[in-house]
Amino acid sequence: DARVTQTPRDKVTEMGQEVTMRCQPILGHNTVFWYRQTMMQGLELLAYFRNRAPLDDSGMPKDRFSAEMPDATLATLKIQPSEPRDSAVYFCASGSEGWGYTFGSGTRLTVV
Amino acid sequence: QKEVEQNSGPLSVPEGAIASLNCTYSDRGSQSFFWYRQYSGKSPELIMFIYSNGDKEDGRFTAQLNKASQYVSLLIRDSQPSDSATYLCAVGTGANNLFFGTGTRLTVIP
Repeated sequence: DARVTQTPRDKVTEMGQEVTMRCQPILGHNTVFWYRQTMMQGLELLAYFRNRAPLDDSGMPKDRFSAEMPDATLATLKIQPSEPRDSAVYFCASGSEGWGYTFGSGTRLTVV
Repeated sequence: QKEVEQNSGPLSVPEGAIASLNCTYSDRGSQSFFWYRQYSGKSPELIMFIYSNGDKEDGRFTAQLNKASQYVSLLIRDSQPSDSATYLCAVGTGANNLFFGTGTRLTVIP
């Protein structure tokens, strides 16, 4: 069963530290999204890529967040420096236009 | 105004009844519409997608789209306790973003 793989599953870090989250999209999917989910805000779109090109990262605080897709099998989301308000579950989703999008199991980030 | 609006609920229905979940969106150029189900502590799971006006049925689920009214709905027939979850509406806009509503929490009472 094809799945989107996200690592790490859980991350606890101290404020000010760098955090890197990784996503392996499903082979053949050409679109990758990064979302952040909190109880208050729901699912917020942070960035997305099509054919590895960044198309929209307007939802992302650019002073501390960066998203890249160095190759078709890896997407990364980095936070530097991390802050307590970044605590959330971060989801990656991949898919192809016209077929829907599959979510990974998420990275639960806690910044203390 | 948010891109995608949903009634947060909670919506409670008795087992066997029809659950009706609604969603409105603001971008008239939206092309694609999705319903996801999310159990507590889990990731969203795609249930259905719809692109054309009208109804699309898949088992106990029916998605309905009315582009003129900018409205999409999900009907769940013969609701089961296992359907209790948060249902997320997602809309693919003309810019090919994918925006989610905040979800409607559904409880099916045995």
